[in-house]
Amino acid sequence: DGGITQSPKYLFRKEGQNVTLSCEQNLNHDAMYWYRQDPGQGLRLIYYSQIVNDFQKGDIAEGYSVSREKKESFPLTVTSAQKNPTAFYLCASSPRTGGDTGELFFGEGSRLTVL
Amino acid sequence: GENVEQHPSTLSVQEGDSAAIKCTYSDSASNYFPWYKQELGKRPQLIIDIRSNVGEKKDQRIAVTLNKTAKHFSLHITETQPEDSAVYFCAAIQGAQKLVFGQGTRLTINP
Repeated sequence: DGGITQSPKYLFRKEGQNVTLSCEQNLNHDAMYWYRQDPGQGLRLIYYSQIVNDFQKGDIAEGYSVSREKKESFPLTVTSAQKNPTAFYLCASSPRTGGDTGELFFGEGSRLTVL
Repeated sequence: GENVEQHPSTLSVQEGDSAAIKCTYSDSASNYFPWYKQELGKRPQLIIDIRSNVGEKKDQRIAVTLNKTAKHFSLHITETQPEDSAVYFCAAIQGAQKLVFGQGTRLTINP
């Protein structure tokens, strides 16, 4: 069953702690993305990766870090430097790179709450 | 960088009526404009997209129009049904594979 899987679905964290959100895809997609969703603000891009071992900052990368050691995996770490980390995080993948953009396939999301 | 403005933020229509959502973008080099639908508690899913080499695309009850000169594109839903109730996001491509999304429109279909 192909798709994109995020875990955990819900996560609670104390202030000052780092937390890592998992994103795995078995669609053989080259590109992967992390978006943050807040009410009334749409989807804002945190980081994206078009190829293994390479990634670029999006519009709101401060306080976040990523890695892309495998094509299938693109974990996101929310560090203690992120001032307002409580949000819904969406991972996505896309089958194409370069100039021909493909459809984004989203995971079900991870809701992070900082206590 | 690219900036996408989406209006309205909320829209309520009677079942059977039409709905329209408009997005404007800033980067004239953008060439791909998808629309995503997010039902309550679910992931966003692509419903229709358009590339800059066409002005209109239709798929059953939904259509998208693109005005490159004015840098805006719109989603049109005809004969609305209760299952059309959702949040709709427009997006524009900035560079290779970097989609910039609008703020979203919450569409409510009233029976």
